[in-house]
Amino acid sequence: AQTVTQSQPEMSVQEAETVTLSCTYDTSENNYYLFWYKQPPSRQMILVIRQEAYKQQNATENRFSVNFQKAAKSFSLKISDSQLGDTAMYFCAFMDSNYQLIWGAGTKLIIKP
Amino acid sequence: DTEVTQTPKHLVMGMTNKKSLKCEQHMGHRAMYWYKQKAKKPPELMFVYSYEKLSINESVPSRFSPECPNSSLLNLHLHALQPEDSALYLCASSRGTGWEQYFGPGTRLTVT
Repeated sequence: AQTVTQSQPEMSVQEAETVTLSCTYDTSENNYYLFWYKQPPSRQMILVIRQEAYKQQNATENRFSVNFQKAAKSFSLKISDSQLGDTAMYFCAFMDSNYQLIWGAGTKLIIKP
Repeated sequence: DTEVTQTPKHLVMGMTNKKSLKCEQHMGHRAMYWYKQKAKKPPELMFVYSYEKLSINESVPSRFSPECPNSSLLNLHLHALQPEDSALYLCASSRGTGWEQYFGPGTRLTVT
């Protein structure tokens, strides 16, 4: 069975610092998609970034970038110049061959002023 | 425009009530989803509609009844719910079932 593991239940950093959230997954598939979603206290789930497994280049979206290590089955999210509005629950998700999302347990990120 | 709307934002209902949750998207997406989310947990998939046809039903109790009247609308009809059904109900849509999903703001449901 495919699983997604987020080993950091909670993290906190000072505003403007860089923070990295870890995610590992387990699959025997070769082609798949990985996602990071954020869910602020307002509760709306927002897509942060997506990575196709066949692409070697790491995805970036403004201050958000990923470090995708396919062989290690690792998919970490780096947030540069963190802002107060980045405070949220961050979920890593894997899309399986049935196109269903397998979710990690989430990391609660707190940005301190 | 990546907006998915959901109504109502909050709903309190008794165990004998019948109510409905509504979800709408105007992005031309052909797949729509219902998820249930408990506090501090990831979402749990309930139903998937693809091209207005129910394609996945994750063994959800029959007191939850989905409906997809057209490609833009998704409803979740609720009847005889239990207190443990209290949760955040999220709707999502995607271009197709293999694409990234965009979520609505959710409906906070409390069953008394």
